[in-house]
Amino acid sequence: DQQVKQNSPSLSVQEGRISILNCDYTNSMFDYFLWYKKYPAEGPTFLISISSIKDKNEDGRFTVFLNKSAKHLSLHIVPSQPGDSAVYFCAASEAGTYKYIFGTGTRLKVLA
Amino acid sequence: EAGVTQSPTHLIKTRGQQATLRCSPISGHTSVYWYQQALGLGLQFLLWYDEGEERNRGNFPPRFSGRQFPNYSSELNVNALELEDSALYLCASSPGHGLLFFGSGTQLSVL
Repeated sequence: DQQVKQNSPSLSVQEGRISILNCDYTNSMFDYFLWYKKYPAEGPTFLISISSIKDKNEDGRFTVFLNKSAKHLSLHIVPSQPGDSAVYFCAASEAGTYKYIFGTGTRLKVLA
Repeated sequence: EAGVTQSPTHLIKTRGQQATLRCSPISGHTSVYWYQQALGLGLQFLLWYDEGEERNRGNFPPRFSGRQFPNYSSELNVNALELEDSALYLCASSPGHGLLFFGSGTQLSVL
């Protein structure tokens, strides 16, 4: 039972354009969401997070939106750069569990 | 500041053998998490240790086990290896709720 789903395995975007990566979850008890980026042969690195009390969090070119009623979050990257090409994972945790459930990842390719 | 370190980088075993993977967390972090990333799949939660105790475990058979030492480093043991155990095993440490800092992983190949 996949509680966190990233339905797009891959995404290609032109440099300078917006990249939108989507993530859906099923557990309404999740209260904290994170996005990680992973390059080949490296561990995932933290990108941005959002608490369930917010619907938007911004950090430079990266913005995460949370729609609790739809159980959906998205990561926007504007403008996209070739160095953003990586696999992006969303993750969620339930209050008090400290257990992070990850999605299957979306491979983003930014074309120069 | 040193990041999360994992050893070995690569490990080749045959079916039925045991594998031991090691992880050293970032200094000051007391929590260690283990994840499995099989080919084409996301990160599957394996185990969470905090202050030397196992706090939570994912849907994996008992032949996946581990421990956390007094210095907060951790070991993951996989007994009776099966071919489908071939995967990248990632360790992460955390100072508390909110962030995981990952190591580069151990690539386990079971032949």
